[in-house]
Amino acid sequence: EAQVTQNPRYLITVTGKKLTVTCSQNMNHEYMSWYRQDPGLGLRQIYYSMNVEVTDKGDVPEGYKVSRKEKRNFPLILESPSPNQTSLYFCASSLFGGGDSDTQYFGPGTRLTVL
Amino acid sequence: AQKVTQAQTEISVVEKEDVTLDCVYETRDTTYYLFWYKQPPSGELVFLIRRNSFDEQNEISGRYSWNFQKSTSSFNFTITASQVVDSAVYFCALSEARDDMRFGAGTRLTVKP
Repeated sequence: EAQVTQNPRYLITVTGKKLTVTCSQNMNHEYMSWYRQDPGLGLRQIYYSMNVEVTDKGDVPEGYKVSRKEKRNFPLILESPSPNQTSLYFCASSLFGGGDSDTQYFGPGTRLTVL
Repeated sequence: AQKVTQAQTEISVVEKEDVTLDCVYETRDTTYYLFWYKQPPSGELVFLIRRNSFDEQNEISGRYSWNFQKSTSSFNFTITASQVVDSAVYFCALSEARDDMRFGAGTRLTVKP
């Protein structure tokens, strides 16, 4: 089954404790990205990656890091989480970054709370 | 800078009514992509459509249709004969050639039986 998986689905942590949210896709997609969703602010792109070893900043990259060492994985790293990073996070992938016939698949979301 | 405006925060209709969700965008690029996503109450994000800036042809998929007009910088989404299962938050989004993506604030659609 084609899918994007994220782990963990729910996480409560404390300020400053490094964490990683994993994202994996099994569709051999080149393009992957991370978003955060906050009430009243909608969805905002954090980072995206066009291919292995190619990443770029989205709308709100501050406080986050990503890596793309393998095509299937695109982890989101919070080196020193702060309460303003409490949010719902989505990972997504698509075959390429553009084109009318290219469907984007989203992971189920990770709800992160930073105390 | 690119920007997406969904002026309708919430819409409520009765089942079988047609409803149009508005999306207005701003961009300086000539090459860009427009998207619609659906987020039902369960929380997952469902991709509905992607359109590139060179194709203004309207799209119809079952009860869903999209009207792209570059002259008014709009990419509106119409649901015909709405159903309760259409209740969700709908997001319009814009991506310029360099591939970062900007979402609108979303429109919450409630379809009442």
